[in-house]
Amino acid sequence: GQNIDQPTEMTATEGAIVQINCTYQTSGFNGLFWYQQHAGEAPTFLSYNVLDGLEEKGRFSSFLSRSKGYSYLLLKELQMKDSASYLCAVRPSGGYQKVTFGIGTKLQVIP
Amino acid sequence: NAGVTQTPKFRVLKTGQSMTLLCAQDMNHEYMYWYRQDPGMGLRLIHYSVGEGTTAKGEVPDGYNVSRLKKQNFLLGLESAAPSQTSVYFCASSYSALYEQYFGPGTRLTVT
Repeated sequence: GQNIDQPTEMTATEGAIVQINCTYQTSGFNGLFWYQQHAGEAPTFLSYNVLDGLEEKGRFSSFLSRSKGYSYLLLKELQMKDSASYLCAVRPSGGYQKVTFGIGTKLQVIP
Repeated sequence: NAGVTQTPKFRVLKTGQSMTLLCAQDMNHEYMYWYRQDPGMGLRLIHYSVGEGTTAKGEVPDGYNVSRLKKQNFLLGLESAAPSQTSVYFCASSYSALYEQYFGPGTRLTVT
């Protein structure tokens, strides 16, 4: 099975940089997703990592270390609209469709 | 394109009543999923489908049934609703299991 840990809540200041961590234990790993979910809305895809290293997409970057079972999402130049929950999700190596989601990290951006 | 749509958006049921949630996607995706999201818990997979006419159980399938008679539609049924099924239900679709999922806006269901 999968076990995913991420902080429940974080607060950061507008314009700053914030790093949201995710650790996982899994019997088989194929890839890791990050989704953003604003309150009362649907999750939307942010990034996907399958190999070790950093993937950069504009203000958002995601890092993966398969050997350590660790990922982080880095948000730069924070904006008020970045206030949302950020969901870490792991895809197993067997049964690709059974993605397991973490509980999400609720990020509050303050002025 | 509308993407993934869900109906209804809100529903209140009494214990023992039945209902069907409809999910539709216009992206020609093969894979479709039903999740529930509860406070303090991650999205949990109820059932999924890898193509028209196929369905399979996810992590929490008990009390739910699904059907995928048409590629674009995925229905979730509750035969006899229970208060434990009070939740927000999300439908999602993907091109394949290797790609990201696109989520519908959700259905907020309350069972009293």
